[in-house]
Amino acid sequence: DTEVTQTPKHLVMGMTNKKSLKCEQHMGHRAMYWYKQKAKKPPELMFVYSYEKLSINESVPSRFSPECPNSSLLNLHLHALQPEDSALYLCASSRDYNEQFFGPGTRLTVL
Amino acid sequence: KQEVTQIPAALSVPEGENLVLNCSFTDSAIYNLQWFRQDPGKGLTSLLLIQSSQREQTSGRLNASLDKSSGRSTLYIAASQPGDSATYLCAADHGSGNTGKLIFGQGTTLQVKP
Repeated sequence: DTEVTQTPKHLVMGMTNKKSLKCEQHMGHRAMYWYKQKAKKPPELMFVYSYEKLSINESVPSRFSPECPNSSLLNLHLHALQPEDSALYLCASSRDYNEQFFGPGTRLTVL
Repeated sequence: KQEVTQIPAALSVPEGENLVLNCSFTDSAIYNLQWFRQDPGKGLTSLLLIQSSQREQTSGRLNASLDKSSGRSTLYIAASQPGDSATYLCAADHGSGNTGKLIFGQGTTLQVKP
């Protein structure tokens, strides 16, 4: 298995909702990442996990809460989001900190 | 602080033409540089990774070079095809060791006309 999968593909949520994004890889990669991408902009790093421990938090608001339950799975818990948080959320993984492989993304709309 | 720039922002070429995409970075102490392709509304596809100790990498019709001293990388696409139409992004690590933190350029949107 040489891909990163993300679910759901699309998500619409209200500002009071709680939802989660899921990312999975079975390549044995020990680093996993969350990125946020706004339209016509490059991805911006949010979080990095290394060996299931959070190693980088790019000063992301607490309404975004990452979780790495095991080496294959990465979640992003969402709560009390704002309309400006609407974006494409991308997950990536890598062996150590080298070549990063991205999933297809979750298109999030906050109403 | 690492900054990555890609020029031009958009490029249109006829099918069959060879082309070069440019990427420049401000901090030459990079660990690696990666080129990606992104189709509209999709995720990123890794094209090539160049380690700091390497000068170039090749995959099929693609060749990426790295010149750390000048802070530049290029992606050469040979015999372009309409299917190559996409946004191409380069990303360098942030220059303070190998942490996985990639800094992306704004991208070059390529259109290859049949």
